[in-house]
Amino acid sequence: DGGITQSPKYLFRKEGQNVTLSCEQNLNHDAMYWYRQDPGQGLRLIYYSQIVNDFQKGDIAEGYSVSREKKESFPLTGTSAQKNPTAFYLCASSPRATGNTIYFGEGSWLTVV
Amino acid sequence: QQQVKQSPQSLIVQKGGIPIINCAYENTAFDYFPWYQQFPGKGPALLIAIRPDVSEKKEGRFTISFNKSAKQFSLHIMDSQPGDSATYFCAASRQIGNQFYFGTGTSLTVIP
Repeated sequence: DGGITQSPKYLFRKEGQNVTLSCEQNLNHDAMYWYRQDPGQGLRLIYYSQIVNDFQKGDIAEGYSVSREKKESFPLTGTSAQKNPTAFYLCASSPRATGNTIYFGEGSWLTVV
Repeated sequence: QQQVKQSPQSLIVQKGGIPIINCAYENTAFDYFPWYQQFPGKGPALLIAIRPDVSEKKEGRFTISFNKSAKQFSLHIMDSQPGDSATYFCAASRQIGNQFYFGTGTSLTVIP
């Protein structure tokens, strides 16, 4: 099946631990994105990448890092510097580097205790 | 700064009613306006989208109305059903830069 696969679906971590969320797409999309969703705040952009080996910070990049070594993969790491990381994280991709729409994965729930 | 403003935050309608969700934007460079539907615990799914060269687009029971001069667009759901109960997001983007800006979402509840 073609689509965007995020893993894990649920993740629990202790405060201060780094955490990595996986995102893989087999849609041959150029651009990939990470969003964070908190209740009442909609979708906030963390990082995005338009091509391999290049990425840009979004509105709330502090405490997060990404890599884009392959077109299909865009993992997100939350570091111990990230405040209040408990949230629903959404990976997305878009067919072209410019224009066109955006498609989302099923999301990952991260709970930090 | 919120690039796209969405209202209302929540909406409750009876089955068969026509909920309307409104969005407004400031950046006239935006040239693509999609709407997404999200069920609890799932990722948002593209519902319908419009470009600024048309004032209305219909797909099944879903209609987008677009007012370029007012920089506003809205989603209408005809003959709403309980299965339409979800959170709806509007968004705006422009071809250059491929960035998408989302509204804060509207939680719709359709009562049987």
